[in-house]
Order: sequence, then structure tokens, then C-alpha cells
Amino acid sequence: GAGVSQTPSNKVTEKGKYVELRCDPISGHTALYWYRQSLGQGPEFLIYFQGTGAADDSGLPNDRFFAVRPEGSVSTLKIQRTERGDSAVYLCASSWELAGPNEQFFGPGTRLTVL
Amino acid sequence: AQSVSQHNHHVILSEAASLELGCNYSYGGTVNLFWYVQYPGQHLQLLLKYFSGDPLVKGIKGFEAEFIKSKFSFNLRKPSVQWSDTAEYYCAVTTDDKIIFGKGTRLHILP
Repeated sequence: GAGVSQTPSNKVTEKGKYVELRCDPISGHTALYWYRQSLGQGPEFLIYFQGTGAADDSGLPNDRFFAVRPEGSVSTLKIQRTERGDSAVYLCASSWELAGPNEQFFGPGTRLTVL
Repeated sequence: AQSVSQHNHHVILSEAASLELGCNYSYGGTVNLFWYVQYPGQHLQLLLKYFSGDPLVKGIKGFEAEFIKSKFSFNLRKPSVQWSDTAEYYCAVTTDDKIIFGKGTRLHILP
């Protein structure tokens, strides 16, 4: 079956603009995770969902960042008033259930560049 | 605060050399431990994991890791590396409500 997909693969925007990043998890996976990876760093946890609800959003850096998963499948990460410091690769992952011992399956990421 | 430390940021080895990448974490409770690998141009993928039982776990491509609870460590090993092992390696720890990745180790194998 298909793996985790993310669109767009690359996004270039201007400072102050709004962007949406999309993630399609593996079918049947109830848990979905968003990470941000800056150059030379490991994935930094942002938020994860169990079904439609955000189980933990403590990693979101500020209120410009928001994520939704209205039907428990596709998720959208929304960034308002983008800043140059938001430039990074945004990774999405999914798993059968909550984190714990479950393997996460990662998508290819969306590379966001804020000019 | 909970954290994961990978001591080696960049490792260069010749083919057939032995490999050990360090990973230490700080958390006093029950943890699940993972090593993920990212080959050039590919997605992050699971190499191996530990959540209970035998502390020596074996993964794909001849990798293994040993969980030493007293040292809060989960070092990755391979007795003889190949050029195709060139990649970025990430140690990760999950608890009931947290997921933390290390900063990664870039491994470069010389042919």
C-alpha cells in the first residue's frame, strides 16, 4: 500500500504570508505526528493526533502554528504570518496507535522556505 | 527536561570497520527506544526498536543495539560497515506522552 505522502514537496513563500502543509497518512493509522527539522538537527516534535483530536500539541512553537485533522485521516499544518525562522523541512509520520512502542512511518517532508 | 544525546555528530569509517554510535537519554520512567535511519534522498525509516524483553535487539542490515538501563544508553552497533550504510542515524525515545529525537549522526563510509 501507499506510504505517508506530503504535499507540496517544496514551498517558497514570503515573510508574513500564510501557508498550509498537507499530510496523508497510511490508511488505518490512527496516530499522526508533525515534526520540524532544521538543518543539522533531528526532527523536533510539534504535535500529534489520535484520531481527530490533538493528543499533545506542546511542541508547537507559538500561536502562529495550528494543525487540524477533521476526519481522522488527512492533516493540515497551518502557519500564519510566516517568518524566516520558520524555514525548515516539515515531516509528517503516522502509526497504528499512539507513540509508545509503535513504529512511526515517515513521509518525504515539505521543505518550506520563507524569503 | 527529557533529552536525547547523540555524542557523535559526524563519523567517517572505511568499509569493513566496526561501528558504534552512542545514544543517551535522560528520563526516569519507562521508555521505548528507537534508531531511525535516513539514506540520501530517502525518507526516515526504522532501523530497530526496543520496548521490552531482551535488551539486545537486532534490526535490519546487520545492525544491533543494546539497551543498558543503568547507563540510560541505547548504542547502535554493526561489526562490519558497508559503503551503503552511508546515511544519517537518529536515536529516538518515546514515553507515554513524549517523543524526542536526538540531533543525529552523519555516517560516511569510505569505499
